[in-house]
Amino acid sequence: GNSVTQMEGPVTLSEEAFLTINCTYTATGYPSLFWYVQYPGEGLQLLLKATKADDKGSNKGFEATYRKETTSFHLEKGSVQVSDSAVYFCALGSSNTGKLIFGQGTTLQVKP
Amino acid sequence: DAGVIQSPRHEVTEMGQEVTLRCKPISGHDYLFWYRQTMMRGLELLIYFNNNVPIDDSGMPEDRFSAKMPNASFSTLKIQPSEPRDSAVYFCASSLGLVGTQYFGPGTRLLVL
Repeated sequence: GNSVTQMEGPVTLSEEAFLTINCTYTATGYPSLFWYVQYPGEGLQLLLKATKADDKGSNKGFEATYRKETTSFHLEKGSVQVSDSAVYFCALGSSNTGKLIFGQGTTLQVKP
Repeated sequence: DAGVIQSPRHEVTEMGQEVTLRCKPISGHDYLFWYRQTMMRGLELLIYFNNNVPIDDSGMPEDRFSAKMPNASFSTLKIQPSEPRDSAVYFCASSLGLVGTQYFGPGTRLLVL
């Protein structure tokens, strides 16, 4: 079945450091891939998405490229800020059912 | 433009009591999803509706859980009787189209004592 695996956290970085959060997936068909962010005490917000192979999603300085050959969708940001501290979820959307399958989430803490 | 609205934001109840969680999706969205988030199991899809009709309830943990969507602007998730292991954050999300982007509400944090 479909599944998503994220790198375990927490990830602790200093402000302006480079961020990578790894995400790999297993899926049949042609899923869409998403990154959601959850700030403390809030719901999930869509950060970016990609709907087909080689697509790059980007938003707020974050980027992720849909790599079919490596079944990956790693999240990157060149220079993190304290305000980026949150939990990041990688998710796979089934092209057949639309159901989202989430990874376990990665907590990012950025220190000044 | 209002997002997905959930109420209550926090609920504390005693074991055995009935709990009702409420959701108002984004106007015009035709899909509504209920999720549960726990430390142990992460985010799990419980049930989803299309045009007010339940499509897939395979994620509903047991018969104590039920969900309804009487109209396009309102859905409820009910737990009766509640148990301590039901303590979690429950999210509602809505989308336009089956594979449209899902927009999440702020969640209801449930604690069953």
